[in-house]
Amino acid sequence: EAQVTQNPRYLITVTGKKLTVTCSQNMNHEYMSWYRQDPGLGLRQIYYSMNVEVTDKGDVPEGYKVSRKEKRNFPLILESPSPNQTSLYFCASSSPLAGGYNEQFFGPGTRLTVL
Amino acid sequence: QKEVEQNSGPLSVPEGAIASLNCTYSDRGSQSFFWYRQYSGKSPELIMFIYSNGDKEDGRFTAQLNKASQYVSLLIRDSQPSDSATYLCAVNPSGGSYIPTFGRGTSLIVHP
Repeated sequence: EAQVTQNPRYLITVTGKKLTVTCSQNMNHEYMSWYRQDPGLGLRQIYYSMNVEVTDKGDVPEGYKVSRKEKRNFPLILESPSPNQTSLYFCASSSPLAGGYNEQFFGPGTRLTVL
Repeated sequence: QKEVEQNSGPLSVPEGAIASLNCTYSDRGSQSFFWYRQYSGKSPELIMFIYSNGDKEDGRFTAQLNKASQYVSLLIRDSQPSDSATYLCAVNPSGGSYIPTFGRGTSLIVHP
């Protein structure tokens, strides 16, 4: 089954304790992205990657790190989480096709609470 | 900063009515446009894609694009309570990037 998986799905942690949220896709997609979703603010892009070892900042990259060492994986790292990073996080992957068609396939989401 | 604007709603319509959702974008060079539906607590899913001016119909859904006026809309005919969700507009920016910018979404409530 074609899918994007994220782990963990739910996480409660404390300020300053490093954490990693994993994301993996099995569709051989070139593009992968991380978004955070907060009430009233919609989906905001954190980082994206257009291929292995190619990453770039999105709209809200502060406090986050990513890496893309393999095509299928795109982990999100919070080196020192703070309460303002409490949010719902989505990983997405896509592969551009003709006509500008690039459907975003989203993972199930990770609900993070930083105390 | 490339902007995608949507009215946050909620938009409330009776069952069987037409729901009209609108989206405007600032990047005049944008070429392709998407509508995603997101149920509460779930991940977004694609429901419509459009890249040519005019209308595109798929079942009860019609996407309308007007590049001169920089807006894209989604019509849902014969609205059902199961259509109650947040609808996200997404726009591919100009310059060859395939990383879309999302609007904040419009909450739709279809009441019986």
